[in-house]
Amino acid sequence: DGGITQSPKYLFRKEGQNVTLSCEQNLNHDAMYWYRQDPGQGLRLIYYSQIVNDFQKGDIAEGYSVSREKKESFPLTVTSAQKNPTAFYLCASSIRLSRYSDTQYFGPGTRLTVL
Amino acid sequence: SQQGEEDPQALSIQEGENATMNCSYKTSINNLQWYRQNSGRGLVHLILIRSNEREKHSGRLRVTLDTSKKSSSLLITASRAADTASYFCATDADNAGNMLTFGGGTRLMVKP
Repeated sequence: DGGITQSPKYLFRKEGQNVTLSCEQNLNHDAMYWYRQDPGQGLRLIYYSQIVNDFQKGDIAEGYSVSREKKESFPLTVTSAQKNPTAFYLCASSIRLSRYSDTQYFGPGTRLTVL
Repeated sequence: SQQGEEDPQALSIQEGENATMNCSYKTSINNLQWYRQNSGRGLVHLILIRSNEREKHSGRLRVTLDTSKKSSSLLITASRAADTASYFCATDADNAGNMLTFGGGTRLMVKP
């Protein structure tokens, strides 16, 4: 069953804690993305990766970090430096990162709440 | 700032009616895509239209693109209660490669 999975579905963080959100895909896609969605808003790009061991900052990378050690996995860490982390986080993948956009396939999302 | 902006922000219609959502953008694009999001879920791709295309159909969906006006519309015909969702347009600016910029979305409610 091909697809993109995210875990956990809900995550609660205390002030000052780092938390890591998981994203895994078995679509054999090269490109992966992390987005943040605030209530009633569109998506904003946090980080993206074109290939293993390479990633680039998106529009709102401050307070976040990522790694891409395997093609299938692109975890996102929300650090204590992110002052307003409560949001819905979406991971996506696409076949490749080329000059023209491809369809992006999204995971089900992780809702992060700061207590 | 967001590349794409949807209009209206919210739309409520009766089942069987048509729903039209509009998207405007600011810079030249390669492609424009429409996605759907059910409440609390991930996005699902609906349709991609290239900058050299003017109209595209997929089932009950019809998308138009007017590059001279930098706008697109999504028409859902014969709407169903199951079409209730948020709809987003996403554009890739001509100088931004594969990066998509999403609008704020149109929240569609279809009443049975």
